[in-house]
Amino acid sequence: EDQVTQSPEALRLQEGESSSLNCSYTVSGLRGLFWYRQDPGKGPEFLFTLYSAGEEKEKERLKATLTKKESFLHITAPKPEDSATYLCAVQAGGGATNKLIFGTGTLLAVQP
Amino acid sequence: KAGVTQTPRYLIKTRGQQVTLSCSPISGHRSVSWYQQTPGQGLQFLFEYFSETQRNKGNFPGRFSGRQFSNSRSEMNVSTLELGDSALYLCATSMSGQETQYFGPGTRLLVL
Repeated sequence: EDQVTQSPEALRLQEGESSSLNCSYTVSGLRGLFWYRQDPGKGPEFLFTLYSAGEEKEKERLKATLTKKESFLHITAPKPEDSATYLCAVQAGGGATNKLIFGTGTLLAVQP
Repeated sequence: KAGVTQTPRYLIKTRGQQVTLSCSPISGHRSVSWYQQTPGQGLQFLFEYFSETQRNKGNFPGRFSGRQFSNSRSEMNVSTLELGDSALYLCATSMSGQETQYFGPGTRLLVL
């Protein structure tokens, strides 16, 4: 069964303290791995899509990387506005479906 | 470009009632997927529509149904509401194939 696991469940950082979030996956035929950010009471906001092992993408203080078994979301010198839940999701298998399988997320709190 | 819109944003219903939620995709997007988000289960896939046809379905009871119209707008219906149906219902849209999906703000449903 396809599965996505995120760790840690929660992370508290001081402003400027860099860290990484982990997303490990077990799927049959990865088609894409997605990172989203979700603020309380809002829908997930798209951050990155990664398609193959070794791929990296960056946006401001965030950098996402992908291996054959996991993905990391690196946060460099975070600011309080980076506080949110970060969700990882995968598309897997054959067929023309857009179905996403989500992990349970990492709740990030950045203190000033 | 306008984002994904969902109506209504909030709903309060009682057990046994039924509810219809609406999702209007980004212009040009033809694929619409629905997800249920709860604190205990996270984001779970309900179903996906493309060109007015259901392309995939998650593991939810038959009380959950949906449809898509010729203008790509989609509705989902939940009949005979149960307390456990209280959740944030999110729709996500994409152009057609296996690209990035963009989420709406969600409809918060509370069943009393």
